[in-house]
Amino acid sequence: GENVEQHPSTLSVQEGDSAVIKCTYSDSASNYFPWYKQELGKGPQLIIDIRSNVGEKKDQRIAVTLNKTAKHFSLHITETQPEDSAVYFCAATFDSGSARQLTFGSGTQLTVLP
Amino acid sequence: ETGVTQTPRHLVMGMTNKKSLKCEQHLGHNAMYWYKQSAKKPLELMFVYNFKEQTENNSVPSRFSPECPNSSHLFLHLHTLQPEDSALYLCASSPGTTNIQYFGAGTRLSVL
Repeated sequence: GENVEQHPSTLSVQEGDSAVIKCTYSDSASNYFPWYKQELGKGPQLIIDIRSNVGEKKDQRIAVTLNKTAKHFSLHITETQPEDSAVYFCAATFDSGSARQLTFGSGTQLTVLP
Repeated sequence: ETGVTQTPRHLVMGMTNKKSLKCEQHLGHNAMYWYKQSAKKPLELMFVYNFKEQTENNSVPSRFSPECPNSSHLFLHLHTLQPEDSALYLCASSPGTTNIQYFGAGTRLSVL
């Protein structure tokens, strides 16, 4: 089955700096890679996702890159703000068009220092 | 609001109690999921329902019993739990045609 490794487990950055979180996956068949943000007391919320037919996707201050050959993908947050502080999870799966299991990484606690 | 509502938000129960967690989605999705979230561990998928039929059961102990009466509602019935079952239990739903999953806020369960 799929195995997803996520690093680092904790990350502190100064407000305005960039943050990068990296994930590796084991199953070369995986083709869908979402990122979730979980704030305190809330469930995970999808913030961005990427499919294996593209190498990069951007949404304002957030970007995700995918290297299929190396089987790793990364989340980049630029111009970080205190409200970006949360736990971030990566995930991977083979999306065949029906309900499938997402395999999650262990999470990264991001703290943005004012 | 994600459109996925879980109740109760917090639950404390003894090991001999029987309780149920409820999840309701107002998104018209066909697939619903139960996850267990323990501290410093990845989210663990417990059950998947697609069009009310259980499609995955990830070796979950029988003291956890899911029920999906329709595509909008999902229950997790609990009985004779152990202290190690204390965790945040998350419900999610997806259209069923993609894997974009929407999560509820979870039920924080404490087993004494």
